[in-house]
Amino acid sequence: KNQVEQSPQSLIILEGKNCTLQCNYTVSPFSNLRWYKQDTGRGPVSLTIMTFSENTKSNGRYTATLDADTKQSSLHITASQLSDSASYICVVSDRGSTLGRLYFGRGTQLTVWP
Amino acid sequence: NAGVTQTPKFQVLKTGQSMTLQCAQDMNHEYMSWYRQDPGMGLRLIHYSVGAGITDQGEVPNGYNVSRSTTEDFPLRLLSAAPSQTSVYFCASSLGRVAPLHFGNGTRLTVT
Repeated sequence: KNQVEQSPQSLIILEGKNCTLQCNYTVSPFSNLRWYKQDTGRGPVSLTIMTFSENTKSNGRYTATLDADTKQSSLHITASQLSDSASYICVVSDRGSTLGRLYFGRGTQLTVWP
Repeated sequence: NAGVTQTPKFQVLKTGQSMTLQCAQDMNHEYMSWYRQDPGMGLRLIHYSVGAGITDQGEVPNGYNVSRSTTEDFPLRLLSAAPSQTSVYFCASSLGRVAPLHFGNGTRLTVT
């Protein structure tokens, strides 16, 4: 069964600290893995998209890694800011259809305290 | 560029009523889709479209209809609202299969 599991479910860190969010998936055949940030009351916003051949991608203070062999990804946030408080969603796409079926994780709720 | 615009932002319906959630995008994206987001669950695909005149069912299509007469608009119709349809609904569009999804800011629907 194709699934995307994220950990931890929630995380609290102090402003300025780093953190790492995890995503494990069983989706096959794999096409790409995406990380989205969702602020409260808003729609998700894309942070990164990685295909099979990419193992690291950065977007400012956000760095995503992908290990397609172990089917694991992580999102590392450096020097956290209050505005990083949000839900971070891992999404994996398969290659089985025209649109590419997307499998959504339940998200990690990050809270950054001053 | 407004991106993806959803209306209304909030809606309360009584069981059995019907309504249409509106979604419009100005990015000339061929792909558009509707999702629902419930507490503790990942986003679930309701219906999607790969271009004007072409729609297909997603993971949870029952109780919903869609049509795509133009590239810009992709309305979602609730035929006879039920309390189980209480949720936050997101419309999204993208350029293609590997392109990022652009989401609207959602419609929060409550069915009493």
